[in-house]
Amino acid sequence: GQSLEQPSEVTAVEGAIVQINCTYQTSGFYGLSWYQQHDGGAPTFLSYNALDGLEETGRFSSFLSRSDSYGYLLLQELQMKDSASYFCAVGVTDKLIFGTGTRLQVFP
Amino acid sequence: ETGVTQTPRHLVMGMTNKKSLKCEQHLGHNAMYWYKQSAKKPLELMFVYNFKEQTENNSVPSRFSPECPNSSHLFLHLHTLQPEDSALYLCASSQGGSSGANVLTFGAGSRLTVL
Repeated sequence: GQSLEQPSEVTAVEGAIVQINCTYQTSGFYGLSWYQQHDGGAPTFLSYNALDGLEETGRFSSFLSRSDSYGYLLLQELQMKDSASYFCAVGVTDKLIFGTGTRLQVFP
Repeated sequence: ETGVTQTPRHLVMGMTNKKSLKCEQHLGHNAMYWYKQSAKKPLELMFVYNFKEQTENNSVPSRFSPECPNSSHLFLHLHTLQPEDSALYLCASSQGGSSGANVLTFGAGSRLTVL
C-alpha cells in the first residue's frame, strides 16, 4: 500500500519562508507532486519532482530525496494569498495518491 | 470552454434517487479520474480511465458507477447513496501514463449532499 504524511497545519507571517515536509511509503514510485487548494476551490498543480534534487518555480521550490522517501515544498516571500491547503502526492503507475494535506495560514 | 468542466456544481439528493455527475475536458488529455474529497480526509482516488478504458477501481461501492464514452467525457452515475457519501467529487484529467499522471488538471468539483 501507499501512505504519505504531512503536518496538518503550518502558520507563518507575510514575507517569511515556510517549508512543508512530506514523507512517503510506497511501491512503484514515479515521482512526487505538490498541489495547492484554496477553500472552496479545486486543487491546482504546483510542481513535480521525478528525480532527486530541487525544482524551482518562482517563489515555490520543491525537493525530493528518493533514498530518504522524503520531499518538501518551500514557499518564499509568503503572501496572504498563499493561505491554502497544500497536498503532496506520489505517482504510482498511472495514478496519483494524495497525502492528507497541510493547511497553511499566513498572517499579516 | 477550457480546462475541465464539471456539472452540476451542487447536488442534493435523497437516498433513493438516481443522479449523474458529468465531467468534460478540453485539454486533449488521454486519462480521466474521479476523486472523492471528504472533510479532514485525503483525496481518495475512485476510478481511472486511460484512453476511455477503466484501469482502476479503488474498491468503490457499486452504488457509484462510472462511464467514459470517449477520452473527453466522464460520468459518475449515483444510485441509492448513503449520507456518508456526501462529499466533494472532483474530476481530473492528465496526459496519462506513468509520468503524465503526475500532472493533473482538476475541475471545480461537484458538491454532493445525500439526505
